[in-house]
Amino acid sequence: KNEVEQSPQNLTAQEGEFITINCSYSVGISALHWLQQHPGGGIVSLFMLSSGKKKHGRLIATINIQEKHSSLHITASHPRDSAVYICAVNVGGTSYGKLTFGQGTILTVHP
Amino acid sequence: ETGVTQSPTHLIKTRGQQVTLRCSSQSGHNTVSWYQQALGQGPQFIFQYYREEENGRGNFPPRFSGLQFPNYSSELNVNALELDDSALYLCASSSVGGGGYTFGSGTRLTVV
Repeated sequence: KNEVEQSPQNLTAQEGEFITINCSYSVGISALHWLQQHPGGGIVSLFMLSSGKKKHGRLIATINIQEKHSSLHITASHPRDSAVYICAVNVGGTSYGKLTFGQGTILTVHP
Repeated sequence: ETGVTQSPTHLIKTRGQQVTLRCSSQSGHNTVSWYQQALGQGPQFIFQYYREEENGRGNFPPRFSGLQFPNYSSELNVNALELDDSALYLCASSSVGGGGYTFGSGTRLTVV
């Protein structure tokens, strides 16, 4: 079993829909990251969380440390949101060391 | 902000050859990590460099080696290339002071 599991693996939505991607982890972490990867390969950091909730534009990320679970929400989805969304964690005591990644969720938003 | 730049963007090598990939560091960052991402998979940690020394290593053989320079930029060297080394190689810089990661766009390596 992977230390970081994401669901769903694939997600298709119509423009305007509310989207949720889930991430569960099985180890103690110092931080959790939500990342976005476009087809060219480059990765953009969306959020870094150690507790609570963060919002940036139409994106919202939450984390429940006790349940070892995080969610990424996209409100009013748009075709430009189509990408791979990856959850990654810092295992242990530092937030700058090794990242352990989930498999990613492939999101496709149709006009 | 200067961002993280990786070079080259694409590379084709023959099995058995050696390759060097390069990565600059985001301004203000002092660590660089390297990751290998096979097609359809999440990235796997290769190693991290801090203060010009290896600071953690994943499950990769010794033919994967690296360097960090005084300006915090880094190189990844892979000797005796194998077909399974074909992947996207990503680097990410960060700071021991915290603040998250900045990723490069990756180098796509194809071994034939």
